[in-house]
Amino acid sequence: NAGVMQNPRHLVRRRGQEARLRCSPMKGHSHVYWYRQLPEEGLKFMVYLQKENIIDESGMPKERFSAEFPKEGPSILRIQQVVRGDSAAYFCASSPIPGHGYTFGSGTRLTVV
Amino acid sequence: AQSVTQLDSQVPVFEEAPVELRCNYSSSVSVYLFWYVQYPNQGLQLLLKYLSGSTLVKGINGFEAEFNKSQTSFHLRKPSVHISDTAEYFCAVSAPEKSSGDKLTFGTGTRLAVRP
Repeated sequence: NAGVMQNPRHLVRRRGQEARLRCSPMKGHSHVYWYRQLPEEGLKFMVYLQKENIIDESGMPKERFSAEFPKEGPSILRIQQVVRGDSAAYFCASSPIPGHGYTFGSGTRLTVV
Repeated sequence: AQSVTQLDSQVPVFEEAPVELRCNYSSSVSVYLFWYVQYPNQGLQLLLKYLSGSTLVKGINGFEAEFNKSQTSFHLRKPSVHISDTAEYFCAVSAPEKSSGDKLTFGTGTRLAVRP
């Protein structure tokens, strides 16, 4: 079991470009969570997805950000028209069922230049 | 809604000394409590968790934490630290609901710096 896989590990985008972050959950895990960590801060919840469904997106910015978790393939966090303030580490986590904690990936560090 | 306060942003300590990292939370409902460790440029690793039962929870790498409901605290302790324990430590809470699963609320972290 390879754990939660995130790619790329590092991503550099120019202002206005799109960023696509991928997360492959652990085998057998159907619950996926995305968090953002700004420099010198803790992690902030963004979105919770199950296969093909967004369950809770209360932490997602209203514009430019979207997430999906298709029936086949990884979960994708998409940021359109990136700005410097989007520079952060984005972490994905997965769990088999709610209520017992979950496993984090190593994160994608996005730098907007 | 829940919130987590980690009062100490940095804790310097000498190797082999004991350490306590403080965590207080607030919530109007019962919660689950977690401690995670983050090494530089890595993801978060679960140290220990409290779901129910015994209030003293033992985790990996010799860490333990005690849930105190009356003081709404979940302090992390280790009797003797090693250089390799140098990392960022995050306390987190969740109040699992069918609608939001395991959504975690994190504290701002405590940087443990172990000196030789």
